[in-house]
Amino acid sequence: AQTVTQSQPEMSVQEAETVTLSCTYDTSENNYYLFWYKQPPSRQMILVIRQEAYKQQNATENRFSVNFQKAAKSFSLKISDSQLGDTAMYFCAFMKKGVGNTPLVFGKGTRLSVIA
Amino acid sequence: DAGVIQSPRHEVTEMGQEVTLRCKPISGHDYLFWYRQTMMRGLELLIYFNNNVPIDDSGMPEDRFSAKMPNASFSTLKIQPSEPRDSAVYFCASSPAGANTEAFFGQGTRLTVV
Repeated sequence: AQTVTQSQPEMSVQEAETVTLSCTYDTSENNYYLFWYKQPPSRQMILVIRQEAYKQQNATENRFSVNFQKAAKSFSLKISDSQLGDTAMYFCAFMKKGVGNTPLVFGKGTRLSVIA
Repeated sequence: DAGVIQSPRHEVTEMGQEVTLRCKPISGHDYLFWYRQTMMRGLELLIYFNNNVPIDDSGMPEDRFSAKMPNASFSTLKIQPSEPRDSAVYFCASSPAGANTEAFFGQGTRLTVV
């Protein structure tokens, strides 16, 4: 079974600064996907960024980027130029690559507060 | 597309009552997932379907929980009888087949059992 660990229950960052959220995972699989989801107070789960394990290049989406270290089983999220709208819970998630789609396995989340 | 639609958004019920949560997945998506979110346990998979067929229900906590998907555009999660420890946010998500893509989530149903 796969497990996902987010060791930082809460973090805060000043507006316009950079923050990094940590995520580690445990799996015996070689082919998989990793995701970061954002959950603002509205409760909606929003995909932030996705990484395919076989790709060595780190994924980026505008102000969001990841540091994917496959050997270390680490998948951190960096948010640059933090904005007040980035305040939310952030969940790291793992998905095994299979013949069909497989469920996401989530970490417990990190609550991020962006301070003006 | 309107996205994944869940109803109701909020439900308050008394212990012992039957509760039914509803989900309409995105049209054309072959996979449907039910998750439960609590402070203590985070987001946990309850059950998921492929082409309306349950694939894995090992996350369903007890026999009081049941889920159905009678057609490609509708699924229900039923709790009978409900208990206070069932209080949580229940999410439905769907994804298209064949691409190992991420799931698209509904806005969740916040269930409170008093």
